[in-house]
Amino acid sequence: DVKVTQSSRYLVKRTGEKVFLECVQDMDHENMFWYRQDPGLGLRLIYFSYDVKMKEKGDIPEGYSVSREKKERFSLILESASTNQTSMYLCASRGLGPYEQYFGPGTRLTVT
Amino acid sequence: QQPVQSPQAVILREGEDAVINCSSSKALYSVHWYRQKHGEAPVFLMILLKGGEQMRHEKISASFNEKKQQSSLYLTASQLSYSGTYFCGTEQPGGSNYKLTFGKGTLLTVNP
Repeated sequence: DVKVTQSSRYLVKRTGEKVFLECVQDMDHENMFWYRQDPGLGLRLIYFSYDVKMKEKGDIPEGYSVSREKKERFSLILESASTNQTSMYLCASRGLGPYEQYFGPGTRLTVT
Repeated sequence: QQPVQSPQAVILREGEDAVINCSSSKALYSVHWYRQKHGEAPVFLMILLKGGEQMRHEKISASFNEKKQQSSLYLTASQLSYSGTYFCGTEQPGGSNYKLTFGKGTLLTVNP
């Protein structure tokens, strides 16, 4: 079974803190994605990576950065967390070709 | 730009049918359908490719009209287990990064 795991299911941080969300996949997928999910807004793409050290901005990259030093790991970084970044964060991975995308269980981040 | 899903929500009795639509303003290469149950990660249902055939997953089928840039998901003889939020994800032609843009979702509730 493909597995996409995320470092935490729940996280509470203070405003201004630097936050790291980690995602690991075990299927040797080239492509990895970070989404945030908010009620009524669906899944919005923050950043994605199509290879090690390669990244591209998604639709809502402001306030976030990413790191991909190894193929299996993709990190989302909130440089200075703000309350409007309180959300559910979902990581996903996908191989090359017309294949499905696999999602991790999500991290519910609360910034106070 | 996010594809537009309709309806936003639908309530069914067990055994009834439903159709969920996904419409894009841009040319599409593929459309993916996912279902998400409350508190869980989205799960892949099916993918429809440009020029491909209509797909089926159990009693769920989908179609893809390339000219109209639309896809529809058909749920036949709905079961309680079909309850959840359905998302379509669209992929544009010519992209090499396999990025999906998701709609806002359709909440499906199946009652006994």
